[in-house]
Amino acid sequence: GQSLEQPSEVTAVEGAIVQINCTYQTSGFYGLSWYQQHDGGAPTFLSYNALDGLEETGRFSSFLSRSDSYGYLLLQELQMKDSASYFCAVRSYGQNFVFGPGTRLSVLP
Amino acid sequence: DADVTQTPRNRITKTGKRIMLECSQTKGHDRMYWYRQDPGLGLRLIYYSFDVKDINKGEISDGYSVSRQAQAKFSLSLESAIPNQTALYFCATSAGLAGEQYFGPGTRLTVT
Repeated sequence: GQSLEQPSEVTAVEGAIVQINCTYQTSGFYGLSWYQQHDGGAPTFLSYNALDGLEETGRFSSFLSRSDSYGYLLLQELQMKDSASYFCAVRSYGQNFVFGPGTRLSVLP
Repeated sequence: DADVTQTPRNRITKTGKRIMLECSQTKGHDRMYWYRQDPGLGLRLIYYSFDVKDINKGEISDGYSVSRQAQAKFSLSLESAIPNQTALYFCATSAGLAGEQYFGPGTRLTVT
């Protein structure tokens, strides 16, 4: 079977740094993606890691360790607008995507 | 204009009715997907299509069917709607082997 695990909720204050972890078990693995979804909105793409290491895009960074079946999303200089749900997703055999249950991030003033 | 559009945006229907949700895209992508989202369960794949002649079942295809009318259009049908199909439905597209998917705005479906 395929499964992804993420913390259900994370809370942090404005200006802080937060890390959202994702562990996965899949039958085949091509890469790990991260998506942001605000309440009532559609998921929007943040990052994709196919190789081990850290990818940085502005305030957001994503890390992957294929040997550990683990990745994380790092959000720096948190802003109120970062309050949202964050999903990891694995691109697996069959070329489709399996999503984690999501982590709800609350940014406090 | 939005790259991925879905119609209708909201729909209330009764148990046993047949309904169709439509998705259109202008991104030129070959790959299209239908997901449903329930609170606390993330996004679950219903069906996906890699081109007009390729349709594949996802994790939760029972009770659903799809039609890929053209590269740009992918429709999801509920043959006989039931209350536990009440959910938020998203269409998405992707290009080739990319890890990025583009989502439509979603259709909120309520089955009473």
